[in-house]
Amino acid sequence: DSGVTQTPKHLITATGQRVTLRCSPRSGDLSVYWYQQSLDQGLQFLIQYYNGEERAKGNILERFSAQQFPDLHSELNLSSLELGDSALYFCASSGEGVGSGYTFGSGTRLTVV
Amino acid sequence: GENVEQHPSTLSVQEGDSAVIKCTYSDSASNYFPWYKQELGKGPQLIIDIRSNVGEKKDQRIAVTLNKTAKHFSLHITETQPEDSAVYFCAASIYGGSQGNLIFGKGTKLSVKP
Repeated sequence: DSGVTQTPKHLITATGQRVTLRCSPRSGDLSVYWYQQSLDQGLQFLIQYYNGEERAKGNILERFSAQQFPDLHSELNLSSLELGDSALYFCASSGEGVGSGYTFGSGTRLTVV
Repeated sequence: GENVEQHPSTLSVQEGDSAVIKCTYSDSASNYFPWYKQELGKGPQLIIDIRSNVGEKKDQRIAVTLNKTAKHFSLHITETQPEDSAVYFCAASIYGGSQGNLIFGKGTKLSVKP
C-alpha cells in the first residue's frame, strides 16, 4: 500500500457519459497530481493541485476538470466521454522539498464503450 | 516545456546480466530525476532518484548517473533477476516549493530471461 488511495479501481461507461475519479493523498502531502496513461502515450501529466489551489496544468482536455477539497482529497471529472478517453488514470501526491518524492496510487482503469 | 526521451523502448537480458536505460531531457532548469518501476496492474513505484547537484547515486543493484552538461541520465541495473522484469520510466522535474510536475519518458519494457 503506497498510501495514495484511488477509487474506483475499474470503471466502464458509455460514450457521452460523465465520471468522477477520486484520490486521497498520502497523509501530510499537500500536492496532488493527475496523470493519464495510455498504451501509445505513456504517462501524460494532466493537472496539479497544491493545498486546494490549481498549480500547474498539462495536457488536460477542456472536457476534464479537477478539484482538491479542504481535506486534501482530489477528484478528476471526465465528461462527454469518448472512446479515446479509455486509459489508466493515476493520482500521485508529494510533500514539499526535494527529498519528498512522488507517490502514485494504483490507478483507475477507465473503459469507454 | 520539458521533454524527456527514453531509450530503448524494449530491452531483453539474461538473468545475471546488466541492463542500462538512457534518458535525455530538454530543460536545463530541471533539477530532479526519478526512476519508476511499474509492474503489471500497479502504479509506478519510485526506485531511485537523483538531484542535479549529484553525479551518481547507488542503491544495491541499482545506480543512476547524471550528466548535466549533456542533459542525460541513465539507470543501471546489475545482476538482473526475473523479478526486475517490468516497465521502467524516467522522469524530470523542476522541483521546488509547491510546484514540480514530473514529465515522463515513454518507458522501457525490461524482460529478464531466466
